[in-house]
Amino acid sequence: DTAVSQTPKYLVTQMGNDKSIKCEQNLGHDTMYWYKQDSKKFLKIMFSYNNKELIINETVPNRFSPKSPDKAHLNLHINSLELGDSAVYFCASSQWYWASGVKETQYFGPGTRLLVL
Amino acid sequence: GQQLNQSPQSMFIQEGEDVSMNCTSSSIFNTWLWYKQDPGEGPVLLIALYKAGELTSNGRLTAQFGITRKDSFLNISASIPSDVGIYFCAGQRTSGSRLTFGEGTQLTVNP
Repeated sequence: DTAVSQTPKYLVTQMGNDKSIKCEQNLGHDTMYWYKQDSKKFLKIMFSYNNKELIINETVPNRFSPKSPDKAHLNLHINSLELGDSAVYFCASSQWYWASGVKETQYFGPGTRLLVL
Repeated sequence: GQQLNQSPQSMFIQEGEDVSMNCTSSSIFNTWLWYKQDPGEGPVLLIALYKAGELTSNGRLTAQFGITRKDSFLNISASIPSDVGIYFCAGQRTSGSRLTFGEGTQLTVNP
């Protein structure tokens, strides 16, 4: 069983298009994240949601809009795609320590490889 | 913003050798995590450290949470070809806060 899953795994699109990436976790976690990994493999947080509420919103263009319909899902919609958006996008999830008393760790999905032409 | 300095950036070793990599920070973290990323996959958690001075093992892997809470290291003993990948350290200040990642250590193991 996949703990954190993302679709699609590969996404090739033209500049200016709008696209969405979906993420689902079956771990029962209450917090989900989106990370961007650039060509140099550097991982950087973009957004974080706890119980469907946005708690981390890094300085990313407002063309990126996350949406969390429920605790198990966090989708990422990108408007007017640009060449510089090409990267690997990772979804992750965790359970907040103070809410559960368990030690918190983040688990990552397999990534979505976005190529903007 | 916060940064983690991870070294070395890359390592080329022979199968059977031991490996050591570390991360340092200018600020304190209360949790240190070590991940491995295989090509085309997402980072997979190897070891999690929650207490200063903690030394934790996972098979051939051993990681320590530095006493100052500003550093951590990961050792791999008797490396094998499947150890190839990128190893990332990550620090977290408080529960639910963002992870700050190191730049990664690319490990190559020659059979």
